[in-house]
Amino acid sequence: NAGVMQNPRHLVRRRGQEARLRCSPMKGHSHVYWYRQLPEEGLKFMVYLQKENIIDESGMPKERFSAEFPKEGPSILRIQQVVRGDSAAYFCASHDRSRSYNSPLHFGNGTRLTVT
Amino acid sequence: GENVEQHPSTLSVQEGDSAVIKCTYSDSASNYFPWYKQELGKRPQLIIDIRSNVGEKKDQRIAVTLNKTAKHFSLHITETQPEDSAVYFCAAVTSGTYKYIFGTGTRLKVLA
Repeated sequence: NAGVMQNPRHLVRRRGQEARLRCSPMKGHSHVYWYRQLPEEGLKFMVYLQKENIIDESGMPKERFSAEFPKEGPSILRIQQVVRGDSAAYFCASHDRSRSYNSPLHFGNGTRLTVT
Repeated sequence: GENVEQHPSTLSVQEGDSAVIKCTYSDSASNYFPWYKQELGKRPQLIIDIRSNVGEKKDQRIAVTLNKTAKHFSLHITETQPEDSAVYFCAAVTSGTYKYIFGTGTRLKVLA
């Protein structure tokens, strides 16, 4: 089992560009979470998705950020017109929801976004 | 909204001593409480978890206790070793929403 795969590991963007972060969940997992982590800080919930459906996006900024998890392919977190404050590590996690609420999240290695 | 408070934010202990990290949650419907360890530059990894129908769980040098009445749970690490140095996050999960709310983290430093 390859685990949760995120790419790229590091992404550098200039202000105003778009950033696209990809996440493939563990095999057999159909639910994905995205978290943002600023340096020396905790994990801030952004969005919770299943294939073709956003379940909870209460942590997503209202503008410039969007997420999807298509029927085929990885989940994508998209940040348009990036600003310096978007620089952070973005972690994806997946779990096996068929095992009920008490199945742990498995995290990917994260994408470290740097906006210059 | 849901909130998880975690204390202390930093903790230094001598090798061999015990470390205790405490978390308090606000949503009384929370019923699953995992703990994650994150080493520098790496991903968070599950180290232990506890369900709401259990008061205590132990795995070698790590134990977690839960007090549902007081809405707090704690991580206990005994006989600490330098490799225990990391940031530890608690989380509370509610079955209805599947929303994992994380604490702000505790940076544990084990001094050799």
